[in-house]
Amino acid sequence: EPEVTQTPSHQVTQMGQEVILRCVPISNHLYFYWYRQILGQKVEFLVSFYNNEISEKSEIFDDQFSVERPDGSNFTLKIRSTKLEDSAMYFCAMPGQVGNEQFFGPGTRLTVL
Amino acid sequence: TQLLEQSPQFLSIQEGENLTVYCNSSSVFSSLQWYRQEPGEGPVLLVTVVTGGEVKKLKRLTFQFGDARKDSSLHITAAQPGDTGLYLCAGDLEAGSYQLTFGKGTKLSVIP
Repeated sequence: EPEVTQTPSHQVTQMGQEVILRCVPISNHLYFYWYRQILGQKVEFLVSFYNNEISEKSEIFDDQFSVERPDGSNFTLKIRSTKLEDSAMYFCAMPGQVGNEQFFGPGTRLTVL
Repeated sequence: TQLLEQSPQFLSIQEGENLTVYCNSSSVFSSLQWYRQEPGEGPVLLVTVVTGGEVKKLKRLTFQFGDARKDSSLHITAAQPGDTGLYLCAGDLEAGSYQLTFGKGTKLSVIP
């Protein structure tokens, strides 16, 4: 079972500011995913990233969002100019061995004021 | 449009009772996962089912994937207060996408 850590656990930012959320897999993975969950709502897919390229993205993942693997180990999700509606839990996930199972990190709670 | 519908949304039962929660779709899934999520935490994977008709058991939890791979159920025997939580189903559509589509979840409360 892949292990994943995410930093920060909680980020508070002002509307219009840029935020960078980080995901660090314990073992080497080429494939990872980002999801978000607005409070009280279901988990929603944002983007999948394979071998340093975006492989799929949802309608939510607009030009304000970007993903990178800056140093070959951790993965980042950047929101360029945050909006109030970006307030949510953001999860990264890694693939498992069976079907398309994915193992989720503990999440970053983003609060945009 | 709800691709994955979970029912019931809320369920409150007494300790020791049995329960079943459902995950239904009009779409076919390549695989389907059940997760449990605590408030403020990430979903924790319980099981993955991939074959139509498959049944998997995890202690007192029994998971079944429908023959047509469009639905699934989770049955808990002799529920305990520690089973309290939000149970989510998620699946990847057969079309070849790797993104997971989640249901809204069933919030289970087991009263001692």
